[in-house]
Amino acid sequence: QSALTQPASVSGSPGQSITISCTGTSSDVGGYNYVSWYQQHPGKAPKLMIYEVSNRPSGVPDRFSGSKSGNTASLTISGLQAEDEADYYCSSYTSSSTLYVFGTGTKVTVL
Amino acid sequence: EVQLVESGGGLVQPGGSLRLSCAASGFTFSSYWMSWVRQAPGKGLEWVANIKQDGSEKYYVDSVKGRFTISRDNAKNSLYLQMNSLRAEDTAVYYCARDKTIFAALYWYFDLWGRGTLVTVSS
Repeated sequence: QSALTQPASVSGSPGQSITISCTGTSSDVGGYNYVSWYQQHPGKAPKLMIYEVSNRPSGVPDRFSGSKSGNTASLTISGLQAEDEADYYCSSYTSSSTLYVFGTGTKVTVL
Repeated sequence: EVQLVESGGGLVQPGGSLRLSCAASGFTFSSYWMSWVRQAPGKGLEWVANIKQDGSEKYYVDSVKGRFTISRDNAKNSLYLQMNSLRAEDTAVYYCARDKTIFAALYWYFDLWGRGTLVTVSS
């Protein structure tokens, strides 16, 4: 099972919007609505930001939104803020024996 | 406070063994599937294994099958990972994570993470 494909880095200025893509296959992202997104600041544990493609846990700002089209899921951060600078990982259920597959990770830089 | 706290990491030689523990508090541990997820230095996240509420089902990533064993003790609110025949490529921070579970059903995301424990496999 290969990791889901994410861009290595995305950057934007404060207040701008950025989108991170997460590309898989019909055996994972495209086949199920079980895509989640995690934010990880350096040296910290991951934090759930989006689950089941587009749902936000309580406490996550509504600047964060998720979507999916075919085999590609996306995380959009609107109104980018300095504290959004972190690594972001997508994850999906997979019908392979691995059960869970993560993305390669994207470093978000706030210029 | 709802939290997960890992322990047991350290330096071990290739071929050696290590047992990780995860202490859960603030929620009904026995109601949840639980997972271990690892992150090699400077690399991405990798799911390692998970276990059903009563321990009757266990799943592993292919690279650790036959070497790692996940287990739990619901009376002690604890999750474990026994790691044998360790290799350099097992070097990573190991996170304990709670699988989103509603009754018996898995919802395929992690809604609570510990801070991790570092395992270094080196001679």
